[in-house]
Amino acid sequence: EAGVAQSPRYKIIEKRQSVAFWCNPISGHATLYWYQQILGQGPKLLIQFQNNGVVDDSQLPKDRFSAERLKGVDSTLKIQPAKLEDSAVYLCASSRGPVGEQYFGPGTRLTVT
Amino acid sequence: AQSVTQLDSQVPVFEEAPVELRCNYSSSVSVYLFWYVQYPNQGLQLLLKYLSGSTLVESINGFEAEFNKSQTSFHLRKPSVHISDTAEYFCAVSPQGGSEKLVFGKGTKLTVNP
Repeated sequence: EAGVAQSPRYKIIEKRQSVAFWCNPISGHATLYWYQQILGQGPKLLIQFQNNGVVDDSQLPKDRFSAERLKGVDSTLKIQPAKLEDSAVYLCASSRGPVGEQYFGPGTRLTVT
Repeated sequence: AQSVTQLDSQVPVFEEAPVELRCNYSSSVSVYLFWYVQYPNQGLQLLLKYLSGSTLVESINGFEAEFNKSQTSFHLRKPSVHISDTAEYFCAVSPQGGSEKLVFGKGTKLTVNP
């Protein structure tokens, strides 16, 4: 079974530029999560999708971050415009259940200069 | 709301020594508890979880964790570590009956030295 795929693996941009990350979850997993992991901290949930509907986006900075999950499969997370404090690893995870069985991708390391 | 405290940011040990990584949590509702491991340049992997039943849970590679409700703790232990156990370990909680959202601690970097 293929794991969660993410691209790109690394991205360097200047502040005020825009960037997009892509995630392909494990086949058959209805729930998809985006986490932000800042250096020295644990992952923080940005947004959770159930199929193509949003379950929780309470910690997503909606003035600059957006995410979509078309057709309930792949997902894209966008930042526009980026700030220095957005430098982090962005992790995508998916689950089918039971509780807590989230499978993580390798992440995208974003550096904003 | 939930929060997780991992008391040690770094734990260096020698190979074959025992290790304990500490985790305490705070929550107004009952929670499920997890330990995830992150090897260098890789994503997080589920190491073990407590959902219900026996308070002692074990992983396939020799780690175990014990849920202590009165102390709101879920410490991770291994009696004898290997070089290959070097990684970052994250404790996480999820509220029961909720959206399966995971709240993570800041992580403990375990370094096993020869």
